Amino acid sequence: DVKVTQSSRYLVKRTGEKVFLECVQDMDHENMFWYRQDPGLGLRLIYFSYDVKMKEKGDIPEGYSVSREKKERFSLILESASTNQTSMYLCASSTRTVSYEQYFGPGTRLTVT
Amino acid sequence: AQSVTQLGSHVSVSEGALVLLRCNYSSSVPPYLFWYVQYPNQGLQLLLKYTSAATLVKGINGFEAEFKKSETSFHLTKPSAHMSDAAEYFCAVSLTDSWGKLQFGAGTQVVVTP
Repeated sequence: DVKVTQSSRYLVKRTGEKVFLECVQDMDHENMFWYRQDPGLGLRLIYFSYDVKMKEKGDIPEGYSVSREKKERFSLILESASTNQTSMYLCASSTRTVSYEQYFGPGTRLTVT
Repeated sequence: AQSVTQLGSHVSVSEGALVLLRCNYSSSVPPYLFWYVQYPNQGLQLLLKYTSAATLVKGINGFEAEFKKSETSFHLTKPSAHMSDAAEYFCAVSLTDSWGKLQFGAGTQVVVTP
């Protein structure tokens, strides 16, 4: 079975802190994604990576950056956390072929105070 | 650009009743379509997917969905709701020439009453 793991289930940070969210997948998938989930807004794509060191901005990249140094790992970085970044963050991975089915991690609920 | 519309942000069904969740998409070419389920404080789990084979797709937990090209719809159904079906459900469509990105609907929260 595909497994996508995220470094933390719950995280509390202070305004202005630099925050790292880590995601690891074990299926050798080319694609990895970071989403933000807020009530009533569904999933919004923050960043997408289609290969090591390759990234593409999603719908809401402002205030975020990403890093993909190894195929299995995709990190989301909040350079200076703000209260409006309080949210659920979901990581996903997929192959670039077949049906593009995405596999999700359990999510990180981030609270910025 | 592709988009996904889920009709109804909240649906309440009685245990044993039909579950019907509506999803309409816009796409210039036949897409891949997905339904995901999310239980509280968990990630999304794939229920079923349409990939241009049979138009009636069966998934896990007794759910199925029918792709209707003429109506650009991909509605999700289950004949008899269980309490364990209480969750949030998301419809998603693959984006053309997108290297695998999906566009998600806003989600439908399902409440099952005894």
